[in-house]
Amino acid sequence: ETGVTQSPTHLIKTRGQQVTLRCSSQSGHNTVSWYQQALGQGPQFIFQYYREEENGRGNFPPRFSGLQFPNYSSELNVNALELDDSALYLCASSLRDRETEAFFGQGTRLTVV
Amino acid sequence: GESVGLHLPTLSVQEGDNSIINCAYSNSASDYFIWYKQESGKGPQFIIDIRSNMDKRQGQRVTVLLNKTVKHLSLQIAATQPGDSAVYFCAAPQAGTALIFGKGTTLSVSS
Repeated sequence: ETGVTQSPTHLIKTRGQQVTLRCSSQSGHNTVSWYQQALGQGPQFIFQYYREEENGRGNFPPRFSGLQFPNYSSELNVNALELDDSALYLCASSLRDRETEAFFGQGTRLTVV
Repeated sequence: GESVGLHLPTLSVQEGDNSIINCAYSNSASDYFIWYKQESGKGPQFIIDIRSNMDKRQGQRVTVLLNKTVKHLSLQIAATQPGDSAVYFCAAPQAGTALIFGKGTTLSVSS
């Protein structure tokens, strides 16, 4: 098991609501990346945080936002939820520019109804 | 940008057989490639990586081959075991921050 923990593990929300997902990174890791994994697909990069600032973003709308805290833990916030936001959300922690040594959490399964 | 894709969505093998999972990529400038294993209900788990200046790298029961001429890499699993049943992804970096993943190959091992 990795040292990356995500909460909650499962979540059901209604379309239009807002959701916050949380990630605690591996000890010593200063970079957190978030991915969305739809059923049957590979993970898609949402964004990365390094030293509390966004350090790269994938093709996701502004209603996907994030935070990184001084202890390097992170949050993913999604506003105005849509049915297509239903997916497994993965958090990966690493050292900056050491993505080959990234550790993934077990993910949060979000269902939007 | 980079794109990676796997050749077959599913692969079924018998326990003890060798498994080969293939992946194609588009960006010749990728510095490295990574193979991940994802079991049901879990996040991706690092298996092995290979730098672009290498042709082959071996780990415990796994070998990755990189053919830069045809932009292809493969993951070979020796003596496949039921515990190897999972979805396997190849991934490559893009723009220094993101990892681009393929769609995955589901490996099923029967005993």
